[in-house]
Amino acid sequence: GAGVSQSPSNKVTEKGKDVELRCDPISGHTALYWYRQSLGQGLEFLIYFQGNSAPDKSGLPSDRFSAERTGGSVSTLTIQRTQQEDSAVYLCASSFSRASYEQYFGPGTRLTVT
Amino acid sequence: DQQVKQNSPSLSVQEGRISILNCDYTNSMFDYFLWYKKYPAEGPTFLISISSIKDKNEDGRFTVFLNKSAKHLSLHIVPSQPGDSAVYFCAASNNAGNMLTFGGGTRLMVKP
Repeated sequence: GAGVSQSPSNKVTEKGKDVELRCDPISGHTALYWYRQSLGQGLEFLIYFQGNSAPDKSGLPSDRFSAERTGGSVSTLTIQRTQQEDSAVYLCASSFSRASYEQYFGPGTRLTVT
Repeated sequence: DQQVKQNSPSLSVQEGRISILNCDYTNSMFDYFLWYKKYPAEGPTFLISISSIKDKNEDGRFTVFLNKSAKHLSLHIVPSQPGDSAVYFCAASNNAGNMLTFGGGTRLMVKP
């Protein structure tokens, strides 16, 4: 079956511009997560959605970052007024339910802020 | 404050030999541990996991060992194959369905 998909695969933007990153989770998965991986670093948790519950935004690094999940499926991560330190690979993952530990990752979006 | 650490950034092993990747954690509330494998330009792929109620879990060539008293886990790959060359991430969770806390990764190179 189809895995987690993300778009775009690469995004180059100028400092100060806004960007939107998209994630399509695996069909039927109710939990969705955003992580980012900066160069040479591990994965850093950003935000978590579970069904219709309020998202866990505890990992968002600043108020320039926001995310939404429409209809319990597709999610969009928005970064406003991008900074060079926002350059990273942004990874989306989904899992079958809140009770499932295993998360399935998409290929990521490589964001470069110039 | 890194709660999950992989102290070896890289490891080189000869094909056919054992690869041992290590991971240490500090949060005693973690109750589930996972290993992910990542190839360049791809997302991490789930490899194997272990619950804190166990000390060993085996799946084919992959075995994960957990030492709770030492807050240490390791992934053994035997025999290692060139296709195992990738970055391996250790991850931990203290609450089903919530975020995973990842280590920094270890790059494994298996030489033919």
